[in-house]
Amino acid sequence: GESVGLHLPTLSVQEGDNSIINCAYSNSASDYFIWYKQESGKGPQFIIDIRSNMDKRQGQRVTVLLNKTVKHLSLQIAATQPGDSAVYFCAEYALGTGFQKLVFGTGTRLLVSP
Amino acid sequence: DTEVTQTPKHLVMGMTNKKSLKCEQHMGHRAMYWYKQKAKKPPELMFVYSYEKLSINESVPSRFSPECPNSSLLNLHLHALQPEDSALYLCASSQGQRQHFGDGTRLSIL
Repeated sequence: GESVGLHLPTLSVQEGDNSIINCAYSNSASDYFIWYKQESGKGPQFIIDIRSNMDKRQGQRVTVLLNKTVKHLSLQIAATQPGDSAVYFCAEYALGTGFQKLVFGTGTRLLVSP
Repeated sequence: DTEVTQTPKHLVMGMTNKKSLKCEQHMGHRAMYWYKQKAKKPPELMFVYSYEKLSINESVPSRFSPECPNSSLLNLHLHALQPEDSALYLCASSQGQRQHFGDGTRLSIL
């Protein structure tokens, strides 16, 4: 399944499917991006990060793709499991007023059914 | 288990009360952060401490007062809060850009 984080806040998949969560970022000068997973009642948990000089990075069952031309970030989760159910946030290091700060996207809820 | 510990996990207080939120990390990180997260929304930055000095205040009302007693501890003192201040308050720390979050304090203002 595929989701655009800003327009489809909930993505429902079956266990074993591959999931793709998308994120559009705003600042073309952002040089570092992170995906976080937040389960109910918990804080955001780091999943994977990528710098702007890369376009792909792989972790365990997860891959992040960065397209700087269209300012788009995606998180791919292979063989999605019920334990992957959570809200996923992309975050970018964006320039504030004279400093860099981490700015979160609106989030996408992933629901995995057995 | 998270490496950033926040206490208490839940807090209910009246608008005239004074309370404090606490955050602790032992990873040797020199930057610590407070975020506010409303239901179904992303975390929003409130304060940043770098080497125990306040470096960023995101125009937060003065009823929120941060304090960094040492490199491992971060407090958020609360006074005369409003019902709209009810939220999850998250602490994070970092050495570099990757931020590590605690599980937050769920704050309810009556």
